[in-house]
Amino acid sequence: KAGVTQTPRYLIKTRGQQVTLSCSPISGHRSVSWYQQTPGQGLQFLFEYFSETQRNKGNFPGRFSGRQFSNSRSEMNVSTLELGDSALYLCASSLWDIAETQYFGPGTRLLVL
Amino acid sequence: EDQVTQSPEALRLQEGESSSLNCSYTVSGLRGLFWYRQDPGKGPEFLFTLYSAGEEKEKERLKATLTKKESFLHITAPKPEDSATYLCAVRSSGNTPLVFGKGTRLSVIA
Repeated sequence: KAGVTQTPRYLIKTRGQQVTLSCSPISGHRSVSWYQQTPGQGLQFLFEYFSETQRNKGNFPGRFSGRQFSNSRSEMNVSTLELGDSALYLCASSLWDIAETQYFGPGTRLLVL
Repeated sequence: EDQVTQSPEALRLQEGESSSLNCSYTVSGLRGLFWYRQDPGKGPEFLFTLYSAGEEKEKERLKATLTKKESFLHITAPKPEDSATYLCAVRSSGNTPLVFGKGTRLSVIA
């Protein structure tokens, strides 16, 4: 069974631009979560979606948004990029229950110049 | 608020030198505790899920245990390929997201 896939793997943007990242969960998984990982802050929770509904949202500004489609694929968008948005963005999927194991994708490395 | 603290931050071992990593947690009610391994520049790789105090799980040289306040990841006779950052995360009762610790960076020297 194929794992979680994320595209693109690497991205370079400049301040003020916007970016869209994509995540395809493991087949059959209906829950998708997004995390931002930086050396200083570790893994920080962004959003969690289940069956196209946002189930949880982390403490990030409104510039960060996401959505989930009917096929469980998910996208996250960051508008008006800032230098501090440079990070590894990770997507994870799980079957459906919140207590179940999340499986991570390889991440998208975003560099904002 | 759910909290996870991992110690030590970094650990350097000689090949074959067994040790343990600690994950202390504070949650309103534990739904699950998860261990992951992460190599530089890659996504976390799932290792174990523990659900209740007293539970233990093993995989090759790794063994995870759980009490009501902490979890240990025991590494027996480690090899250089075990070098990685090990992350602990908890999910509490209620509709709350997964909370991660900052990780323990393990280096195993041949």
